[in-house]
Amino acid sequence: GEEVAQTPKHLVRGEGQKAKLYCAPIKGHSYVFWYQQVLKNEFKFLISFQNENVFDETGMPKERFSAKCLPNSPCSLEIQATKLEDSAVYFCASSQFATGVLEAFFGQGTRLTVV
Amino acid sequence: AQTVTQSQPEMSVQEAETVTLSCTYDTSENNYYLFWYKQPPSRQMILVIRQEAYKQQNATENRFSVNFQKAAKSFSLKISDSQLGDTAMYFCAFYNAGNMLTFGGGTRLMVKP
Repeated sequence: GEEVAQTPKHLVRGEGQKAKLYCAPIKGHSYVFWYQQVLKNEFKFLISFQNENVFDETGMPKERFSAKCLPNSPCSLEIQATKLEDSAVYFCASSQFATGVLEAFFGQGTRLTVV
Repeated sequence: AQTVTQSQPEMSVQEAETVTLSCTYDTSENNYYLFWYKQPPSRQMILVIRQEAYKQQNATENRFSVNFQKAAKSFSLKISDSQLGDTAMYFCAFYNAGNMLTFGGGTRLMVKP
């Protein structure tokens, strides 16, 4: 597709429950990024993939967060045992070099509310 | 590691006037890309303009233009003829071959009628 598709748009979870977010990158894009935007608007980088391989996971809280990008499937970000502070909008972006010009396209985000 | 700084948390401008949003960054890379993203209340991230570091010419996209000063590591966004629909958060972002998009803290722009 020609846009990054994130599902669901909204997700409500009770504290301690699992949350799973999905991202379908633009077809042909090799790189996928996940960002967490909290209420004060700060963007926190979580993880990036080059195809199905983790490229950079320095931002991931590893004890509860995990992510995958498998061939022929949407990428996913999973949070085990959600906490109140996980409430945020999670953005996925994809990019690919094309004719020497680089552009990152963002999905519309998934708003996670942990209650 | 790269850092991106937007020193203006909030700005306002009268409709039809011109406003400039500041952005500075720090990097040891020579080849990279810079972006300005707009985030309206809907939270959607919209690419406004991008600049390749190897290009000396400042990028322009309709009412939006940048002042890219590579030596000073400065990348400001100028919005001409401001419109009410320009009201949004604006994020400056840096992207390099390491493939991590680094954002500044954002500037909230209010366009007043």
